[in-house]
Amino acid sequence: QVQLVQSGAEVKKPGASVKVSCKASGYTFTSYDINWVRQATGQGLEWMGWMNPNSGNTGYAQKFQGRVTMTRNTSISTAYMELSSLRSEDTAVYYCARVLYSGTSYLGYWGQGTLVTVSS
Amino acid sequence: EIVLTQSPGTLSLSPGERATLSCRASQSVSSSYLAWYQQKPGQAPRLLIYGASSRATGIPDRFSGSGSGTDFTLTISKLEPEDFAVYYCQQYGSSPFTFGPGTKVDIK
Repeated sequence: QVQLVQSGAEVKKPGASVKVSCKASGYTFTSYDINWVRQATGQGLEWMGWMNPNSGNTGYAQKFQGRVTMTRNTSISTAYMELSSLRSEDTAVYYCARVLYSGTSYLGYWGQGTLVTVSS
Repeated sequence: EIVLTQSPGTLSLSPGERATLSCRASQSVSSSYLAWYQQKPGQAPRLLIYGASSRATGIPDRFSGSGSGTDFTLTISKLEPEDFAVYYCQQYGSSPFTFGPGTKVDIK
């Protein structure tokens, strides 16, 4: 069965960077895009961007351009999301999510989420 | 950027009642690329509907989606206890693939 397992919670200081991993299993990693979505406590969902694990091509929301980098390691079926220049407003649960079908963009499988806390 | 507005913000209903949730887009959503997700506290979202009206695998048929252009609706025909949750719409026709702010369906 499809599983996305994310790395554990992180606490970072303002100005630092964080790198969250998302290990995929149960399917061919390179065949389905991975998206990243975040959710501040008590708030709604915010789409950050997507990555094609086969080509490495990415697309980021303008809000995060210049601060976010999505990469992958195909040998271990793992996607990564790195966010730099962290500020308190970046405190949130970060989710990776796989598209349901290849060539589509709706998110059929989700990781369990990774809490990133930015605090001095 | 397409802005999605969901209404109402909170819907207070009893089990067995019908729920009608609205999602309105600031501009037309191409090819009805509109999805609905359900999220319960402490859990990741779950895909319910894609393409505005297609149910994802395993989603009960009491959930239905409709609409096109800028106006979309999620209907839950008869609320079950497990349906009380927050529901989000998302458009994926134009990057960024924005979400609406959510509608909370709670028990009256």
